[in-house]
Amino acid sequence: AQTVTQSQPEMSVQEAETVTLSCTYDTSESDYYLFWYKQPPSRQMILVIRQEAYKQQNATENRFSVNFQKAAKSFSLKISDSQLGDAAMYFCAYRSWRGSGNTGKLIFGQGTTLQVKP
Amino acid sequence: DGGITQSPKYLFRKEGQNVTLSCEQNLNHDAMYWYRQDPGQGLRLIYYSQIVNDFQKGDIAEGYSVSREKKESFPLTVTSAQKNPTAFYLCASSGGQGSYQPQHFGDGTRLSIL
Repeated sequence: AQTVTQSQPEMSVQEAETVTLSCTYDTSESDYYLFWYKQPPSRQMILVIRQEAYKQQNATENRFSVNFQKAAKSFSLKISDSQLGDAAMYFCAYRSWRGSGNTGKLIFGQGTTLQVKP
Repeated sequence: DGGITQSPKYLFRKEGQNVTLSCEQNLNHDAMYWYRQDPGQGLRLIYYSQIVNDFQKGDIAEGYSVSREKKESFPLTVTSAQKNPTAFYLCASSGGQGSYQPQHFGDGTRLSIL
């Protein structure tokens, strides 16, 4: 069974600075997807960024980028130029890709609460 | 606008009572999911459905039941057998089997015990 671990329950960053959130996962599969979701105080889950395991290039979405290390099973999220609106809980998630057997289920880490200081 | 609607936003359950959480989507997604969120434990999968009239248990299905009679709807019933139902419940949907699309989430329902 796959597992996802976020070892940082809480992180803080100064506004306009850069912060990196860590995520490691365990799987025996070679094809899969990885996601970072953001959950602000409103509790809505918002997709931040997605990475396909077969792609070597790290995904980037504006100020958000990932460092995907497949061999190390590591998937960290870097937030550049942090803004007050980035304050939220961030979840790393894993999803299998098994062709027609793909059920779309997500396996989540425990989450990291990010505080942004003005 | 397309999206997922969960209702009610807050729900209170009395001892021995069954309660039903509603989840409706207009995204034309085949697959729908129910997750439970407890503090410090992330999200855990309760049930999921890939097509109408079919659903499977997730990791923590005991004390819960679902139905999928329509593509748009996937209600979750928290039964009296669920002894610790206080949590935040999130419904999600995606393109389903074989789809690479990520899941979209509703705004959640907070369930508490009276």
